[in-house]
Amino acid sequence: DAGITQSPRYKITETGRQVTLMCHQTWSHSYMFWYRQDLGHGLRLIYYSAAADITDKGEVPDGYVVSRSKTENFPLTLESATRSQTSVYFCASSAVARTEAFFGQGTRLTVV
Amino acid sequence: SQQGEEDPQALSIQEGENATMNCSYKTSINNLQWYRQNSGRGLVHLILIRSNEREKHSGRLRVTLDTSKKSSSLLITASRAADTASYFCATDKLTGGGNKLTFGTGTQLKVEL
Repeated sequence: DAGITQSPRYKITETGRQVTLMCHQTWSHSYMFWYRQDLGHGLRLIYYSAAADITDKGEVPDGYVVSRSKTENFPLTLESATRSQTSVYFCASSAVARTEAFFGQGTRLTVV
Repeated sequence: SQQGEEDPQALSIQEGENATMNCSYKTSINNLQWYRQNSGRGLVHLILIRSNEREKHSGRLRVTLDTSKKSSSLLITASRAADTASYFCATDKLTGGGNKLTFGTGTQLKVEL
């Protein structure tokens, strides 16, 4: 199916475990983003990527790692999950800089 | 810190009424966008207004931008129950921001029958 998909949709993990959230888009968009959404904070940018092998930090990158070896995939890894990383995570992509972004359905992550 | 702040945080209106929500931002921008988020879903792009534009329309949506006041407003006319959602403004900085879109905290709109 065309579009941007995130997996898993729901994840429960324990403190200290490593967890990877997947994001896949079929449009060959150059730009991809990871946001987290928390009550009272709106969406905050974690990392973004302008192209394969090019990534940069956003507003709240600590505790997260990204990679982008292929244009269509942009996984987000929590190296050692903490309770403060309990959140809803959204992946997004855009074809051109500073234009419309397309969002995935989100991954609800709970760290216990 | 958030670049955009929406006002009000929550808005409840009757079907058929107009809904107006505002967004203020801190630094000079290239574009401003509005997004909608239905409960439990991802964000959906509504409209983009460039910094050299003052007003833009799309169906029942009207967006204004005042760069001198660093503010924007989103007007939804003749609202429907299906418009119930959260609305976010997003900006990208004119300089030094790369392609980063920064979102506000959102306005929760409830349209009652």
